[in-house]
Amino acid sequence: EDQVTQSPEALRLQEGESSSLNCSYTVSGLRGLFWYRQDPGKGPEFLFTLYSAGEEKEKERLKATLTKKESFLHITAPKPEDSATYLCAVHQNTGGKLIFGQGTELSVKP
Amino acid sequence: DAMVIQNPRYQVTQFGKPVTLSCSQTLNHNVMYWYQQKSSQAPKLLFHYYDKDFNNEADTPDNFQSRRPNTSFCFLDIRSPGLGDAAMYLCATSRGQGHNVLTFGAGSRLTVL
Repeated sequence: EDQVTQSPEALRLQEGESSSLNCSYTVSGLRGLFWYRQDPGKGPEFLFTLYSAGEEKEKERLKATLTKKESFLHITAPKPEDSATYLCAVHQNTGGKLIFGQGTELSVKP
Repeated sequence: DAMVIQNPRYQVTQFGKPVTLSCSQTLNHNVMYWYQQKSSQAPKLLFHYYDKDFNNEADTPDNFQSRRPNTSFCFLDIRSPGLGDAAMYLCATSRGQGHNVLTFGAGSRLTVL
């Protein structure tokens, strides 16, 4: 069964304390892996798309990487405004729909 | 700014009383999606439209229906809401199949009393 699992479920960091969020997936053919940010009470906001193993994308303090089985979202020197839930989603080759993970709730304290 | 707008943002209904949630988009995207998201859970796809073609997920309850009268608008109808239907309902759009960067609306939070 196609599955996307994110860990940890929740992560608390001090401002400036770098860390990584994990997204592991098992799908029958990957067309793309997506990272979204979701603030409380709002819809998800697109961050990155990764298509093949070895690919990396960066945006400000965020860097996403992809292997054949998982993706990491690295957060360097986070600030309180980076606090949000980060969702990973995988686009299957067959069926074509996005499968979302349950998210990692990140809290960055000043 | 081009965007996806959902109304209402908050909806309170009684058990069994029908509800309609609306979504409009100014992006001129072909595909519109409805997701259900419960607290601390992954968004769950209910159905999507590719232009006028309706695609229902196999596990979407019959209680949920959708209409897309034109490119810009899509509606989610919940015929007889139960307590288990309380959730955030997210509308999203994408340019087309193979273009799966979704643009989401802010969501409609449904409370069932």
